[in-house]
Amino acid sequence: NAGVTQTPKFRILKIGQSMTLQCTQDMNHNYMYWYRQDPGMGLKLIYYSVGAGITDKGEVPNGYNVSRSTTEDFPLRLELAAPSQTSVYFCASITGTGYGYTFGSGTRLTVV
Amino acid sequence: AQSVAQPEDQVNVAEGNPLTVKCTYSVSGNPYLFWYVQYPNRGLQFLLKYITGDNLVKGSYGFEAEFNKSQTSFHLKKPSALVSDSALYFCAVRDIGDNAGNMLTFGGGTRLMVKP
Repeated sequence: NAGVTQTPKFRILKIGQSMTLQCTQDMNHNYMYWYRQDPGMGLKLIYYSVGAGITDKGEVPNGYNVSRSTTEDFPLRLELAAPSQTSVYFCASITGTGYGYTFGSGTRLTVV
Repeated sequence: AQSVAQPEDQVNVAEGNPLTVKCTYSVSGNPYLFWYVQYPNRGLQFLLKYITGDNLVKGSYGFEAEFNKSQTSFHLKKPSALVSDSALYFCAVRDIGDNAGNMLTFGGGTRLMVKP
């Protein structure tokens, strides 16, 4: 049981480049989330999904896009990377009847 | 809307002493409450949760938390701190009544430093 898997673990991007952060869960969870954690700060919700084909914005969605074509996968895309997107990104999931999240191990992104 | 406040950026305690990490919350309905711990360069690990029932909740690694509805608090406690407890602790809330996306809102985190 792998839980929530995020790739890559680390990435350095140049300003203006694009990339996709991958998130996969094998627990058949309906709900999935992307958070960012800035140094010394709490977690801010970027986007979330309540099921395949459905996504919605969280607190800080600007500069990001998501898709949810399957229950398992919830990739996060950065189109034009900016230094303000330097952060650690966490993916999480939960069942509809569950209580707390299962988190991935995170992706540390640096934009230079 | 739901929100969480962790009023202390850092808590320092000597090994063997009791520790408390404070958390207060705000929800429009009834809350589910959680504590997570984050060790350096790692993801968040679940410690404990309050859903319903007994106000004193016991979790992993000897931690416990007390739900106080009148004070809207959910403080994390441990009777005897260990150096290995040093980490970043996050309180989180989920409003049962007004939260179609089942979203958790996290506090800003409290760094716990346990000194030998």
